[in-house]
Amino acid sequence: DGGITQSPKYLFRKEGQNVTLSCEQNLNHDAMYWYRQDPGQGLRLIYYSQIVNDFQKGDIAEGYSVSREKKESFPLTVTSAQKNPTAFYLCASRPERQETQYFGPGTRLLVL
Amino acid sequence: KNQVEQSPQSLIILEGKNCTLQCNYTVSPFSNLRWYKQDTGRGPVSLTIMTFSENTKSNGRYTATLDADTKQSSLHITASQLSDSASYICVVPLFSGGYNKLIFGAGTRLAVHP
Repeated sequence: DGGITQSPKYLFRKEGQNVTLSCEQNLNHDAMYWYRQDPGQGLRLIYYSQIVNDFQKGDIAEGYSVSREKKESFPLTVTSAQKNPTAFYLCASRPERQETQYFGPGTRLLVL
Repeated sequence: KNQVEQSPQSLIILEGKNCTLQCNYTVSPFSNLRWYKQDTGRGPVSLTIMTFSENTKSNGRYTATLDADTKQSSLHITASQLSDSASYICVVPLFSGGYNKLIFGAGTRLAVHP
């Protein structure tokens, strides 16, 4: 079963807690992305990685961190510095020499 | 400013009826425009890609148009079905900082009622 998987589907965060969202792909894509989706707004780019061991900040990177130790995996950590983390988080990947990004099913993060 | 704006914000239609969703963009330089469908609680899925030279492209009951002069695109859905209920997102790439950044519209939320 190929594609992009995200886990968990729902995640609850307590005040002051760091949480990590998982994103895995078995499509052999080099580029991977993390987006945040809020009601009534377009997707906003948090971080992206075009190759293993390299990643760049997007438009709203503050309060988030990522790693790219393996081609297949691009986890996103929402730190306690992110004061408004409640949102739908989408991971995407893109094949080399193509523009189309393929999205995972998303993780909804809620604050307790 | 590079922006993508969609209208209407939401739309309710009866099953079997047609509808048209609008997208205006100010992204420059322009290379292509994409329409994505996003079911509730799921990730977006690509419906169609319109390049600069294309005016119309169909994908089943979905027909996209592009007017690069007026910087407008539309997505027409024919004979709507309940499964068409979703958000439809217009996306335009912008080449910036050495890579293609995607500019997303806020989407049109379509509800098809029986």
